[in-house]
Amino acid sequence: SQQGEEDPQALSIQEGENATMNCSYKTSINNLQWYRQNSGRGLVHLILIRSNEREKHSGRLRVTLDTSKKSSSLLITASRAADTASYFCATDDRPGANNLFFGTGTRLTVIP
Amino acid sequence: GAVVSQHPSRVICKSGTSVKIECRSLDFQATTMFWYRQFPKKSLMLMATSNEGSKATYEQGVEKDKFLINHASLTLSTLTVTSAHPEDSSFYICSARDIRASGPYNEQFFGPGTRLTVL
Repeated sequence: SQQGEEDPQALSIQEGENATMNCSYKTSINNLQWYRQNSGRGLVHLILIRSNEREKHSGRLRVTLDTSKKSSSLLITASRAADTASYFCATDDRPGANNLFFGTGTRLTVIP
Repeated sequence: GAVVSQHPSRVICKSGTSVKIECRSLDFQATTMFWYRQFPKKSLMLMATSNEGSKATYEQGVEKDKFLINHASLTLSTLTVTSAHPEDSSFYICSARDIRASGPYNEQFFGPGTRLTVL
């Protein structure tokens, strides 16, 4: 199965601290994406990193990708209480692929 | 832009009844929509790929007669859970790809989800 694993499963930090979440996957990928899900809600797309990219930034988000280790990390800097959510990585294995394979998710709690 | 809606957001039904969930792309057309299922505190699992004008493609282990999918237009896909049972209780999420999407990206826009509770 391509489904990824994420760690930690849960992370609790103080507001203002940085949060780092990791995602590992099993087979080769085309793109890797990170999504956010508030409790009981749909997913919001955060950032996409291509397989030939190593790092990408978007606002307070920084994503890295190491295809040799089949892993990615999502760093949220200067966290806010509103960042409290579950974060999922998702991969697809070829251009134009339909399937997205989701990781197991990290539940982030930012304490005000 | 790129808004996907789902209706209803929450449904409670008796065992044995059928439930229809709608997924609409509001400001774009989607030849392909996807249906996912999510158990509490778990990840999303793809159930099926819904193709406009043709039969859906189901993932291994998903009963096509149990989960009927219809993609009648470029903006609407429906998932019908037939003869629902308590084990079908879950959070169902749809997503859609913009018909204009090209290139190697596979960005999907997700609906807000439908929570189904079968008593």
